[in-house]
Amino acid sequence: GNSVTQMEGPVTLSEEAFLTINCTYTATGYPSLFWYVQYPGEGLQLLLKATKADDKGSNKGFEATYRKETTSFHLEKGSVQVSDSAVYFCALSGNAGNNRKLIWGLGTSLAVNP
Amino acid sequence: NAGVMQNPRHLVRRRGQEARLRCSPMKGHSHVYWYRQLPEEGLKFMVYLQKENIIDESGMPKERFSAEFPKEGPSILRIQQVVRGDSAAYFCASSPTVGTDTQYFGPGTRLTVL
Repeated sequence: GNSVTQMEGPVTLSEEAFLTINCTYTATGYPSLFWYVQYPGEGLQLLLKATKADDKGSNKGFEATYRKETTSFHLEKGSVQVSDSAVYFCALSGNAGNNRKLIWGLGTSLAVNP
Repeated sequence: NAGVMQNPRHLVRRRGQEARLRCSPMKGHSHVYWYRQLPEEGLKFMVYLQKENIIDESGMPKERFSAEFPKEGPSILRIQQVVRGDSAAYFCASSPTVGTDTQYFGPGTRLTVL
């Protein structure tokens, strides 16, 4: 079945450091890939997505490239801020039929210190 | 356009009571997904509904849990005879049309079972 594996946290960085959160997946067919962010005490917000191989999703300085050859969708940001402290979730959805239920990684907690 | 709304935001129940969680999708959205986030675990898909139809309930426990999305009104996730293990954050998400893979999340309902 489909699954998502992301690097375990917590990740602690200093402000302006480079961020990478690894995400790999197992899926049949050609899934869509997502990064969601959850700020403390809040719901989930879509950060970025990619729907086909070699697509790059980007938003708020974050980027991730859909790599079919390595089945990966790593999240990167060149210079993190304190306000980026949150939990980041990698997820996939199948593209067959109408059911687009999301399969989730366990989440990676990021803490950015000033 | 108001976002996805969930209520209540926090719900406390004693063991054996019933919990009703409500989700109002974004205007014009006819697809609703429910997910559960257990402490120290990731998000898990529970059920996918379209108006008046349950499409996929493969992630929902067979007993005590039920969901509906009537023609009029919000989607309801109902948990009968709650147990402490039901304590979790429950998120709903909606999407607009058939085949659209982006889901928009509500703020969640945090259920605590005493």
